[in-house]
Amino acid sequence: AQSVAQPEDQVNVAEGNPLTVKCTYSVSGNPYLFWYVQYPNRGLQFLLKYITGDNLVKGSYGFEAEFNKSQTSFHLKKPSALVSDSALYFCAVRDQAGTALIFGKGTTLSVSS
Amino acid sequence: KAGVTQTPRYLIKTRGQQVTLSCSPISGHRSVSWYQQTPGQGLQFLFEYFSETQRNKGNFPGRFSGRQFSNSRSEMNVSTLELGDSALYLCASSLVGQGVDEQYFGPGTRLTVT
Repeated sequence: AQSVAQPEDQVNVAEGNPLTVKCTYSVSGNPYLFWYVQYPNRGLQFLLKYITGDNLVKGSYGFEAEFNKSQTSFHLKKPSALVSDSALYFCAVRDQAGTALIFGKGTTLSVSS
Repeated sequence: KAGVTQTPRYLIKTRGQQVTLSCSPISGHRSVSWYQQTPGQGLQFLFEYFSETQRNKGNFPGRFSGRQFSNSRSEMNVSTLELGDSALYLCASSLVGQGVDEQYFGPGTRLTVT
């Protein structure tokens, strides 16, 4: 069965420092992977998705993700964090039926000024 | 292009009642999915509709149902509400809802069952 894991409940970084939010996956077949962000009292916003063959994916708001097949990881990164990046981040994978998204438990990112 | 809209945004119901939530997808999107978000269980998939047909269903009791209309708008219904149904219900739309096709989410409907 498809699954994703986000090993960290919370990540704290200082503004201007690089950030990484971790995600590992378990899939059978092609890994259709996504990152979403959720701000308080809002729906989820799409950040980026894995495209087969691109190990470094660029997305919205300066975020990028590194796909590593051998480590079954899809970590979200940003070179320089902003206070406004503070939010809840979700990694997701397509289910085996191919239509639903299975989400990780989420990682709260806190960027301090 | 307008985003995904959900109505109502907030709802308070009593245990045993039923509720209907509405979702209007992005124009041109034919796939609509519903998710339940709670602090304890996180984001869980309810069901997905494409061209008025339910293609996929999550692991929820039969009290949860949905439908999609010919204009791709979707509704979900919860009958005989229980306290545990209190959650944020999110609707998402996408062009075809498969593969690398990303989903776009609405703001959600916050349902409180008392």
